[in-house]
Amino acid sequence: KAGVTQTPRYLIKTRGQQVTLSCSPISGHRSVSWYQQTPGQGLQFLFEYFSETQRNKGNFPGRFSGRQFSNSRSEMNVSTLELGDSALYLCASSLDGTSSTGELFFGEGSRLTVL
Amino acid sequence: GENVEQHPSTLSVQEGDSAVIKCTYSDSASNYFPWYKQELGKGPQLIIDIRSNVGEKKDQRIAVTLNKTAKHFSLHITETQPEDSAVYFCAAFVRDTGRRALTFGSGTRLQVQP
Repeated sequence: KAGVTQTPRYLIKTRGQQVTLSCSPISGHRSVSWYQQTPGQGLQFLFEYFSETQRNKGNFPGRFSGRQFSNSRSEMNVSTLELGDSALYLCASSLDGTSSTGELFFGEGSRLTVL
Repeated sequence: GENVEQHPSTLSVQEGDSAVIKCTYSDSASNYFPWYKQELGKGPQLIIDIRSNVGEKKDQRIAVTLNKTAKHFSLHITETQPEDSAVYFCAAFVRDTGRRALTFGSGTRLQVQP
């Protein structure tokens, strides 16, 4: 069974640009969450999608957005990039349902560098 | 919202010794506590978890304990091996409508010296 796949693995952008990251969850998983990992702030929750709907959102500015498609694949977008957006962006999938324990399976991440 | 504190930030042990990492959480509604191991260049991997109706759980060399009254939980690794070297994260989860995100601790870098 394939794991969570994130693309691209590495990318470099300049300030003011925008970026789109992609995540394919484990087959059968319907929930996709996104986390930002930085040395200073640790792992911080961005948002969660379930059945193409954003179900929960963390405390990030509106420059950070996402969506989920009918096949559960998800994308996140960051517009008007800032230096502080440099981070490892992690996608996590879970089976989910109303009885979910929250067990998440993470991908390898997309490392974004903003110059 | 939930706040999870994790200690220590770094831990160095000799191979074969035990390692203990401790976390405290603030939201008494949290009811699921996973631990993740993150190796260099990889995403976090779930290694063990515990639910609020259980006080202790073991899986071979790793165990987790939970004290709901004190709102703290700990990871215990016995007979450590060099391949245990990684960053470990604790997390807390509130399983109810509208609060479906894991709150992570700040991580512990474990170094096992051969």
